[in-house]
Amino acid sequence: DADVTQTPRNRITKTEKRIMLECSQTKGHDRMYWYRQDPGLGLRLIYYSFDVKDINKGEISDGYSVSRQAQAKFSLSLESAIPNQTALYFCATSDLLSGGDTQYFGPGTRLTVL
Amino acid sequence: AQKITQTQPGMFVQEKEAVTLDCTYDTSDPSYGLFWYKQPSSGEMIFLIYQGSYDQQNATEGRYSLNFQKARKSANLVISASQLGDSAMYFCAMRENGGATNKLIFGTGTLLAVQP
Repeated sequence: DADVTQTPRNRITKTEKRIMLECSQTKGHDRMYWYRQDPGLGLRLIYYSFDVKDINKGEISDGYSVSRQAQAKFSLSLESAIPNQTALYFCATSDLLSGGDTQYFGPGTRLTVL
Repeated sequence: AQKITQTQPGMFVQEKEAVTLDCTYDTSDPSYGLFWYKQPSSGEMIFLIYQGSYDQQNATEGRYSLNFQKARKSANLVISASQLGDSAMYFCAMRENGGATNKLIFGTGTLLAVQP
């Protein structure tokens, strides 16, 4: 079984709809992240959380919110989706004490906003 | 300014040959980490290799090695004995350990095509 899972894997939605992307991990890592990937731009950080009580904005947090429901779960919400939020979204996890705090990514969620 | 630069948008390599993917970085933080990830056409991001700025030896993981030249600020990925399954996009990334976010800064990637 995958260590980091994301649901859904693909989603098509309409403008102004609320949508939630979910991430779960079995790696036991404290740190979790949400990134988005746009063609030609690499990955950019949306939000990150270093533990259950810690939530921080990344470089492109406008239009997004997150919830850290448990150590293993970190969800990303788009309150009112817009077409330029069409992208590939990745959840990642890391552990400060192992492997240089390497981030391990989930399989991604491909989101299309029409 | 670009913090991670990958100057090769695309490359071809013959199966069983070695290939080097270039990556240069820019940081004033004395402590940082360098990473390479592979993204096949299916979309997932797969961690390949990590190099810490204070590591004396170049990192190796199986057929992957990282040619770390600190003075030149380069962190090239070397894949030995290329296989067809190595065809993918490859991203170089850096984490500045002095930063608060722990975020990875990614390059724009190099698309590698392995030819039979």
